[in-house]
Amino acid sequence: EPEVTQTPSHQVTQMGQEVILRCVPISNHLYFYWYRQILGQKVEFLVSFYNNEISEKSEIFDDQFSVERPDGSNFTLKIRSTKLEDSAMYFCASVAGTSENNEQFFGPGTRLTVL
Amino acid sequence: SQQGEEDPQALSIQEGENATMNCSYKTSINNLQWYRQNSGRGLVHLILIRSNEREKHSGRLRVTLDTSKKSSSLLITASRAADTASYFCATAQMNSGYSTLTFGKGTMLLVSP
Repeated sequence: EPEVTQTPSHQVTQMGQEVILRCVPISNHLYFYWYRQILGQKVEFLVSFYNNEISEKSEIFDDQFSVERPDGSNFTLKIRSTKLEDSAMYFCASVAGTSENNEQFFGPGTRLTVL
Repeated sequence: SQQGEEDPQALSIQEGENATMNCSYKTSINNLQWYRQNSGRGLVHLILIRSNEREKHSGRLRVTLDTSKKSSSLLITASRAADTASYFCATAQMNSGYSTLTFGKGTMLLVSP
């Protein structure tokens, strides 16, 4: 069964460093998302991406964040200068896009630890 | 309350018992989805119920949706120890980004053998 994959599973970085989190959405899906979950808290929407551009972003998604779909398969989230409060699980998700009632499939997540 | 608030926050039951979790939301929605998350792991999609549906079944799962009360419930029948996880409802709101989901804080379910 097709699934969303994410790499790495765990990333440890120093404050101020840049990190790139990678995702491979399900191949025929059209809409892509990043969410994050700070430990013990709810899952929060960051950004959605369609047709090679951002379609919506939350207040969390400030200038330190960027997304890219560099080729036909990968979808990346870059954090330019990480802060301690960026430590969280980051989930990528994708939707087929054929209807507003399609299921959203999530990857296993990348645990980002900022020291 | 915030969009997608689940209750109870924690639920502890014995194997074989049924578990019911509730979710309330505030704005109009296109659909509501339930997810399971094992500790520290990814989100597993369980079931989607559309705004024009009232009840949906999938295996041991039964989901109801009451749009007049802006609430949903997830029932797990004949629970097993393997059902131990956190359960989240997530709403896809009307007039929001395409299928952007808003999650609740979750219900932590513990099923004891």
